[in-house]
Amino acid sequence: RKEVEQDPGPFNVPEGATVAFNCTYSNSASQSFFWYRQDCRKEPKLLMSVYSSGNEDGRFTAQLNRASQYISLLIRDSKLSDSATYLCVYNFNKFYFGSGTKLNVKP
Amino acid sequence: DADVTQTPRNRITKTGKRIMLECSQTKGHDRMYWYRQDPGLGLRLIYYSFDVKDINKGEISDGYSVSRQAQAKFSLSLESAIPNQTALYFCATSDSGTDNYGYTFGSGTRLTVV
Repeated sequence: RKEVEQDPGPFNVPEGATVAFNCTYSNSASQSFFWYRQDCRKEPKLLMSVYSSGNEDGRFTAQLNRASQYISLLIRDSKLSDSATYLCVYNFNKFYFGSGTKLNVKP
Repeated sequence: DADVTQTPRNRITKTGKRIMLECSQTKGHDRMYWYRQDPGLGLRLIYYSFDVKDINKGEISDGYSVSRQAQAKFSLSLESAIPNQTALYFCATSDSGTDNYGYTFGSGTRLTVV
């Protein structure tokens, strides 16, 4: 079983749509959680940390469900510039990355 | 200047050649990592180092070696390059005291072995 499982997509959505990604992780002792964004052929960049209480940063909302061991990312009012691959990550002594979910936002 | 600098940015090398990829950081982080990324496979950890005297194998260390020359420098070597080591390589850093802030990545090295 993979440490982090994500739907690879692609998710093709129109501008203005709301889109949600989920990922599941295998280690119940995981200490911290993140969403990273990666543009084609570029390095991953931290989008946001994920807290148990849920957290929001503008159009982005992240949720953590420790009981079910999944993390979610909600993007509201999608922009063309949101097109990228989104990586789910957890930390347990070192970081474990999902393979990413590709998002294409169309005009 | 970038916080995490990788050199070279792109490299084409021949099968059997030795090649070194270098990573340096100005963030003062104690932990450094080398990953490779292949299409559809995500990021896979090659080696990591939690401080200057600490070196650990990741999930795909065969065919690679590393050296932590200083807290700020972590180099990755391919002793005898082979075509299936063609990939995008990333160096990353983190701080053991603030892991909640995640990793910082370098811009990557695109390596092609022909």
